[in-house]
Amino acid sequence: NAGVMQNPRHLVRRRGQEARLRCSPMKGHSHVYWYRQLPEEGLKFMVYLQKENIIDESGMPKERFSAEFPKEGPSILRIQQVVRGDSAAYFCASSPDSDYGYTFGSGTRLTVV
Amino acid sequence: DQQVKQNSPSLSVQEGRISILNCDYTNSMFDYFLWYKKYPAEGPTFLISISSIKDKNEDGRFTVFLNKSAKHLSLHIVPSQPGDSAVYFCAASGRGSSNTGKLIFGQGTTLQVKP
Repeated sequence: NAGVMQNPRHLVRRRGQEARLRCSPMKGHSHVYWYRQLPEEGLKFMVYLQKENIIDESGMPKERFSAEFPKEGPSILRIQQVVRGDSAAYFCASSPDSDYGYTFGSGTRLTVV
Repeated sequence: DQQVKQNSPSLSVQEGRISILNCDYTNSMFDYFLWYKKYPAEGPTFLISISSIKDKNEDGRFTVFLNKSAKHLSLHIVPSQPGDSAVYFCAASGRGSSNTGKLIFGQGTTLQVKP
């Protein structure tokens, strides 16, 4: 049973471009969480999704950021018109229910140049 | 507003000795606490957790202590091993009816265990 798969591992984007980060949860997990870690900081909650539903997006910036978890396929975190301040490690976690049995992926490191 | 604080950015201990990592929180609604371990270029890995109805939870070399009145928890690792060298994050959540599984993380403490 593969763990939580995130791709790409590293992503470089120029300012103004779009970044798309993918997360495939563990088999049987229908709950997905996205966290962001800025340099020298802890992980900050962004959004919690179940299949086809956004349950809690209280940590998402109001503009340029969106997330989805379609019925088929991975969860996608999309950042439009990236700025240098978006440079961070983005971690996805999945669980079989809304409990704390999270399994984290290895993260996507986004660098905006 | 930093609701979970790890005031020591780093800690260095000798192999075989005890490592004590500390964490403070401000939100009295938090009732579930977790510790995660993170190696460079990897995601966090769950270590141990504790519910607010307990004041101690032990798992092998790892023990977490919770002092609710002081809003303080600590992770003890004994004996410490070089492979324990990593960043340790404290996390907290409130398990009320509105629980969505969201965790609030501290800034992390980098532990170095010297051989």
